[in-house]
Amino acid sequence: DQQVKQNSPSLSVQEGRISILNCDYTNSMFDYFLWYKKYPAEGPTFLISISSIKDKNEDGRFTVFLNKSAKHLSLHIVPSQPGDSAVYFCAASAGDSWGKFQFGAGTQVVVTP
Amino acid sequence: NAGVTQTPKFQVLKTGQSMTLQCAQDMNHEYMSWYRQDPGMGLRLIHYSVGAGITDQGEVPNGYNVSRSTTEDFPLRLLSAAPSQTSVYFCASSSQNLNRALFFGEGSRLTVL
Repeated sequence: DQQVKQNSPSLSVQEGRISILNCDYTNSMFDYFLWYKKYPAEGPTFLISISSIKDKNEDGRFTVFLNKSAKHLSLHIVPSQPGDSAVYFCAASAGDSWGKFQFGAGTQVVVTP
Repeated sequence: NAGVTQTPKFQVLKTGQSMTLQCAQDMNHEYMSWYRQDPGMGLRLIHYSVGAGITDQGEVPNGYNVSRSTTEDFPLRLLSAAPSQTSVYFCASSSQNLNRALFFGEGSRLTVL
């Protein structure tokens, strides 16, 4: 039973434009969310996090938005750069299991010139 | 900075063989975990540990054993490899004091023939 879903397996965006990646979850106990970026043959690297007490968190070109009522979060990358071409995973955990994250299937982002 | 180190990076096994994937972290993180990544399924939690001497099962534990005798090391054992265990394995560590983000190793690609 996949509790974290990324329904878009791929996304193509022009360099300089905004990339928007979406993630939905079903477990209302999830209270902490992470986004990861993964290049081929490398481990995932942490991008940005958000706690359920917030609805937005920014770090440079990356902004994550959380809509708790819709059980939906999104990652915005502005502006998109060629080095952003990678697979992006969202992950969620519940407070009583703080280290146990459930991951979505990932979205492959391709940034074109 | 070493971070999370996994060995080996690649391994080919025959069905029924056993092996151990090694994982070591030098960040003094209390939490360590093993995930497997399969196409279209994101990362799934196999086993995790919240400290030395304490381990527990994740989402897909069957066919795998773990132990945590020290804070630094968290090996994953396959007792009798099966083709269904062909996957990329990632070890991760985290600390509740560091925004709960998981730090991943570079991965170990395992093929079971």
